[in-house]
Amino acid sequence: GNSVTQMEGPVTLSEEAFLTINCTYTATGYPSLFWYVQYPGEGLQLLLKATKADDKGSNKGFEATYRKETTSFHLEKGSVQVSDSAVYFCALSDNAGNMLTFGGGTRLMVKP
Amino acid sequence: SAVISQKPSRDICQRGTSLTIQCQVDSQVTMMFWYRQQPGQSLTLIATANQGSEATYESGFVIDKFPISRPNLTFSTLTVSNMSPEDSSIYLCSVTAAGNTIYFGEGSWLTVV
Repeated sequence: GNSVTQMEGPVTLSEEAFLTINCTYTATGYPSLFWYVQYPGEGLQLLLKATKADDKGSNKGFEATYRKETTSFHLEKGSVQVSDSAVYFCALSDNAGNMLTFGGGTRLMVKP
Repeated sequence: SAVISQKPSRDICQRGTSLTIQCQVDSQVTMMFWYRQQPGQSLTLIATANQGSEATYESGFVIDKFPISRPNLTFSTLTVSNMSPEDSSIYLCSVTAAGNTIYFGEGSWLTVV
């Protein structure tokens, strides 16, 4: 079956530091890949997505590239802000857009 | 995109009672999904709800505990029955919109006392 593995948190960074959150997956076929963000006390928001190999999803300074050869979809941001403090979830779905399989989530804490 | 509204947003419930969560979408969608997020955990799919058919439940979830209705293409309900403190979670509704992008509601935060 499908599975998603994320680096465990919490990840603690100083403001303006570079961020990488690793995500690898196991899936049959050609899944779509997503990053969702959950700010404290809020629901889940779509951050970015990629639907095929070598696609790069980007939003709000965050980027992730769909790497089929390494089955990875690492999240990066060049300069984090305190407001980026949240839990980040990597997820995949089949190409029909059906149910998501989530990673365990990574808590990011950014200190001023 | 899709705008999803859930009610209630938060509730404190007594042990042994049942609560029905509503999910309203601003456009017609074929498939709706219900997830649970226990405190400090990731999301787990409870069931898939298609209009006009019985919901399909994932392993570990049963209809008697989590009955689901899907009366039309924009609305669904999830009931959490005979609640215990272990049911304290965020319950999230999600849909697949155009471009196969999956969107979530804000969640219903339930605390069972």
